[in-house]
Amino acid sequence: NAGVTQTPKFRILKIGQSMTLQCAQDMNHNYMYWYRQDPGMGLKLIYYSVGAGITDKGEVPNGYNVSRSTTEDFPLRLELAAPSQTSVYFCASRVEGFTGELFFGEGSRLTVL
Amino acid sequence: GNSVTQMEGPVTLSEEAFLTINCTYTATGYPSLFWYVQYPGEGLQLLLKATKADDKGSNKGFEATYRKETTSFHLEKGSVQVSDSAVYFCALSRNTGNQFYFGTGTSLTVIP
Repeated sequence: NAGVTQTPKFRILKIGQSMTLQCAQDMNHNYMYWYRQDPGMGLKLIYYSVGAGITDKGEVPNGYNVSRSTTEDFPLRLELAAPSQTSVYFCASRVEGFTGELFFGEGSRLTVL
Repeated sequence: GNSVTQMEGPVTLSEEAFLTINCTYTATGYPSLFWYVQYPGEGLQLLLKATKADDKGSNKGFEATYRKETTSFHLEKGSVQVSDSAVYFCALSRNTGNQFYFGTGTSLTVIP
């Protein structure tokens, strides 16, 4: 079972560059999320989606964009990378309904220099 | 608003010691409650959950009971092992809305 797959696992960017973090899930989950985790800190929600074509901002959306064209995929785009975006990014998904748990990917470690 | 408060870490215990990590929450209605574990260099994994008051979630020797009267979901284990060293996150999901709310995490180190 693949679950939630994130690519790349590691990436170094220069200030001002752009990139896309890919996230795919094979569990047919409608709900998908992007979080960032700064060193020694908890999780902050960047964006989430409750289905194809529907996205919404979380706690820290500035500097990021998302799209959801299919149920399976939820890419996160970083525009004009800044050192403050150095973090570990986690994608997660779950079924509808508040009792369902989140399933996480293994994370993408991004460094902006 | 909705929030989760966890005890501050880091926590260091000797092997076979008793573990308690406190978690309290603020939420309207009847949320579902979760404990996640993050091993070094890995993503978060569900450890256990409880979806209604007085439910007890359990897994791998860990337990937590959903206490609505004290709005708490404390994590306990009777005898920790070195392999339990990780960061533990308490989280809630409301019965309305689509978001999860995470605590800040508690780092546990178990020494032989």
